[in-house]
Amino acid sequence: GAGVSQSPSNKVTEKGKDVELRCDPISGHTALYWYRQRLGQGLEFLIYFQGNSAPDKSGLPSDRFSAERTGESVSTLTIQRTQQEDSAVYLCASSSPGPRTDTQYFGPGTRLTVL
Amino acid sequence: AQSVAQPEDQVNVAEGNPLTVKCTYSVSGNPYLFWYVQYPNRGLQFLLKYITGDNLVKGSYGFEAEFNKSQTSFHLKKPSALVSDSALYFCAVRDPRRYIPTFGRGTSLIVHP
Repeated sequence: GAGVSQSPSNKVTEKGKDVELRCDPISGHTALYWYRQRLGQGLEFLIYFQGNSAPDKSGLPSDRFSAERTGESVSTLTIQRTQQEDSAVYLCASSSPGPRTDTQYFGPGTRLTVL
Repeated sequence: AQSVAQPEDQVNVAEGNPLTVKCTYSVSGNPYLFWYVQYPNRGLQFLLKYITGDNLVKGSYGFEAEFNKSQTSFHLKKPSALVSDSALYFCAVRDPRRYIPTFGRGTSLIVHP
């Protein structure tokens, strides 16, 4: 079956522009995560969605970052007024929560470059 | 709070030799522990996890990891390394009361022919 997909795979933008990144989770996965991976760094948690519950936004680095998810489907991560420090790979993961099924399945990522 | 440490930025091993990638964690209560691998320009792929039960967990591609509660460790091992195992390896820990795992900084494994 289809895995997690993300689009675009690469995005180059100018400082100050807004960007929107998309994640299509695995069908039936109720949980969705966004992470940021800077060059040579580990994964930095951004936001977590679980079904129709209020998202956990505790990892968002500033109010320029926001994300939406409608039900258990597609999610979009929006970065407004991009800065050069936003350059990173943005990874999305989905899972079906539970002690035996909460393995995260990652998408290939979107590489964002802010000039 | 939960945290994970991967003390080695890079591990070098010759093909055919055993490999170990280290991971230690800190979490209140019993941990959920995970290993993921990231190949160049790819997303992370799940290797194995420990939730409960047998301390020795076997995963994909011949990898295994041993949960050691007294040492709070979950080291990744493979008896005989392959050049194709060269990649970035991430350890992650999750408090069962939370749904957000914490990832380590990653260890670059380089297997020399």
